[in-house]
Amino acid sequence: GDSVTQMEGPVTLSEEAFLTINCTYTATGYPSLFWYVQYPGEGLQLLLKATKADDKGSNKGFEATYRKETTSFHLEKGSVQVSDSAVYFCALSGIDTGGFKTIFGAGTRLFVKA
Amino acid sequence: NAGVTQTPKFQVLKTGQSMTLQCAQDMNHNSMYWYRQDPGMGLRLIYYSASEGTTDKGEVPNGYNVSRLNKREFSLRLESAAPSQTSVYFCASSGQGASSYEQYFGPGTRLTVT
Repeated sequence: GDSVTQMEGPVTLSEEAFLTINCTYTATGYPSLFWYVQYPGEGLQLLLKATKADDKGSNKGFEATYRKETTSFHLEKGSVQVSDSAVYFCALSGIDTGGFKTIFGAGTRLFVKA
Repeated sequence: NAGVTQTPKFQVLKTGQSMTLQCAQDMNHNSMYWYRQDPGMGLRLIYYSASEGTTDKGEVPNGYNVSRLNKREFSLRLESAAPSQTSVYFCASSGQGASSYEQYFGPGTRLTVT
């Protein structure tokens, strides 16, 4: 079945460092891909998305490109801030997951030190 | 717009007690979901409602029941709470059309069963 695999955390970086969180997926069709972020004590919120191959989603300095050939959707940010400390979830959804169900990765916790 | 709201925010139950978690959304979304989040387990889907009048089991439905009261409201009931149901519970909703696969989450209910 469809699945999402993301790198295990925690990831610890210093402020202004470059961030990459790897995400790969398995899907039978052409899903939409997402990154969600969860700040401490809160629910998940959508960070960015891409709906077809080669699309780049971006928001708040974060970017991810939908790579069909490598089945990947890696999250990147050029210069992280302490306020980016959170848990990041890669996810996929689309017609082949039932039209509305979302498959989430296990989450990657990011700590950014001042 | 309040988005997705959940009540209560915190709850402590004794084994065998029952309770209902409430969820409401004001985005006119068709689909609603209940997840639980446990350390190291990511998000697991308990039940979902693709549209008003329908509900379906997710990955971990045992010990839970749901009611889609109307388009706005989707409740989760624990008939006889067990310590294994200690978790953080999130309600989510999603719309239709181009944004149908994005999910919007509530702030969560932190449940402890002793």
